[in-house]
Amino acid sequence: AQKVTQAQTEISVVEKEDVTLDCVYETRDTTYYLFWYKQPPSGELVFLIRRNSFDEQNEISGRYSWNFQKSTSSFNFTITASQVVDSAVYFCALSVRSGNKLVFGAGTILRVKS
Amino acid sequence: GAGVSQTPSNKVTEKGKYVELRCDPISGHTALYWYRQSLGQGPEFLIYFQGTGAADDSGLPNDRFFAVRPEGSVSTLKIQRTERGDSAVYLCASSSPGLAGERAYEQYFGPGTRLTVT
Repeated sequence: AQKVTQAQTEISVVEKEDVTLDCVYETRDTTYYLFWYKQPPSGELVFLIRRNSFDEQNEISGRYSWNFQKSTSSFNFTITASQVVDSAVYFCALSVRSGNKLVFGAGTILRVKS
Repeated sequence: GAGVSQTPSNKVTEKGKYVELRCDPISGHTALYWYRQSLGQGPEFLIYFQGTGAADDSGLPNDRFFAVRPEGSVSTLKIQRTERGDSAVYLCASSSPGLAGERAYEQYFGPGTRLTVT
């Protein structure tokens, strides 16, 4: 069975601070896919990134960066210079086959204060 | 283009009643998924369609829940004899293989239907 753990229930930061959201996953499959989604107050889940298990390169997209480490089964997400608009619930998710169901973590509430 | 749409956005029903929730996926997307999200939790998988057939319905909690996708596009999630514990936001997502043989695994979500069973 697959499992995703987001140990941080809620994080509060002041604008312009950097913040890292942790994600630890469990699976026995050697091929899998990891995702991050953002859920703003409006409620709609917004896709942020997908990472394949065979590609451990870290990725940067603007203020967002992701650190994938198979050795620790972690896929952490860092927001640099946070902004109030980053306030949302962030979900990490795992899929073990292409196009298959996503297994989500419980989410981390991020509050960015001005 | 248009994203995933879901209707109604809100549904209030009495315990024991039957409800239908509708999902219109992104045009051309062959895969369609239903998830359920309870307050303060991550979405939980219910069922997944590839075309018209249910490829995986292992997440349906019991036989009161049923979903169809007769023409491979719009899907309807049906809940019989609703219970208060069914109250949640029901999310629909769709995805499709990409171009040039690359398979896209991103699921694009709709705004959800908030179901309240009183």
